[in-house]
Amino acid sequence: IAGITQAPTSQILAAGRRMTLRCTQDMRHNAMYWYRQDLGLGLRLIHYSNTAGTTGKGEVPDGYSVSRANTDDFPLTLASAVPSQTSVYFCASSDPGGLSFFGQGTRLTVV
Amino acid sequence: SQQGEEDPQALSIQEGENATMNCSYKTSINNLQWYRQNSGRGLVHLILIRSNEREKHSGRLRVTLDTSKKSSSLLITASRAADTASYFCASAAGNTPLVFGKGTRLSVIA
Repeated sequence: IAGITQAPTSQILAAGRRMTLRCTQDMRHNAMYWYRQDLGLGLRLIHYSNTAGTTGKGEVPDGYSVSRANTDDFPLTLASAVPSQTSVYFCASSDPGGLSFFGQGTRLTVV
Repeated sequence: SQQGEEDPQALSIQEGENATMNCSYKTSINNLQWYRQNSGRGLVHLILIRSNEREKHSGRLRVTLDTSKKSSSLLITASRAADTASYFCASAAGNTPLVFGKGTRLSVIA
């Protein structure tokens, strides 16, 4: 059982470049989320999707975009990366009872 | 920010001792959840307590919820070195995404 798969696991990216973080789930959950985790700040929600075809903004959406073309995939795109987007990014989905399942994270460094 | 807060930020105890972590949240909730994160890994859910429940147990874990104070606590009894991790609470309200606290870093010394 794979659960949530994120790719890549880590990336060093030049500032100004475009980057898409991939997230795939095999649990058929409707709700999916992207969080960033920074030391001392905990997890902050970037974008979410309650079901395929819909997305919503979280606490820190600026500089990021998402799409939800189908149930399984929820990619996160940085259109033009900046150093402040250096972080660990987690994708998650939640079951109908509200429990969330997380991927292993993508460690992104923008230089 | 709608984030909750965990207290303490860091906790260091000896193996065999109990560890208590507290969480406060800001809005009315449907349920409150606790998650664990090992270093460099994703979060794993531990336990969910609904707003109409006051206490819940799972193995060595005991969670309490006080909705009048908007607070929850996680007690780990007879701690082990393998319990060393960060612990997060997350509040759930309606269909909105979970709101996570900043976490408590627990170190259990063998």
